[in-house]
Amino acid sequence: QKEVEQNSGPLSVPEGAIASLNCTYSDRGSQSFFWYRQYSGKSPELIMSIYSNGDKEDGRFTAQLNKASQYVSLLIRDSQPSDSATYLCASVPPGDYKLSFGAGTTVTVRA
Amino acid sequence: DGGITQSPKYLFRKEGQNVTLSCEQNLNHDAMYWYRQDPGQGLRLIYYSQIVNDFQKGDIAEGYSVSREKKESFPLTVTSAQKNPTAFYLCASRTGARYSPLHFGNGTRLTVT
Repeated sequence: QKEVEQNSGPLSVPEGAIASLNCTYSDRGSQSFFWYRQYSGKSPELIMSIYSNGDKEDGRFTAQLNKASQYVSLLIRDSQPSDSATYLCASVPPGDYKLSFGAGTTVTVRA
Repeated sequence: DGGITQSPKYLFRKEGQNVTLSCEQNLNHDAMYWYRQDPGQGLRLIYYSQIVNDFQKGDIAEGYSVSREKKESFPLTVTSAQKNPTAFYLCASRTGARYSPLHFGNGTRLTVT
């Protein structure tokens, strides 16, 4: 079983809609979770970090963490064409110095 | 500005040649990492280093080698033993704190023919 699993894409949403991305992790002791955005041909860039249960908002992005369900999500409100990218979920398993990455979900925002 | 510099951006080599990818960071980060990404695929860890003069194999270390003689530098050598070296290579770093995020360089696209 992979440490981090993301919902398979691609995900297509109309401009202005909410894009919802989901991620589950297998190690219950994981404490840190990250969302990265990767444009085609570019390197990943960090957009959100979350460590505690609940919601964390940053602009149009909201990360949600539920440790009991081992579930992390990312909501993109008022989606824009510039949000079209692959989104990577990552976690840090306990006792490890490596991040575990999901395979990514590709989002396309159609105008 | 602090950041991670990977060079060159594009690299072309003939099959059978070793090639070294450069990665330098001025973020004062303790840990550095090398990932490989193939088209439409996720990130796969090649090697990582938590401190100077020490490094560990990742999931796909065969055919690769690294060194960590300085805190700022973590070069990756792709040897002729790597069967399918054509890929996008990403260097990353993070602080020594276990829960810190990774910061990525801009990547090197290697093509071997």
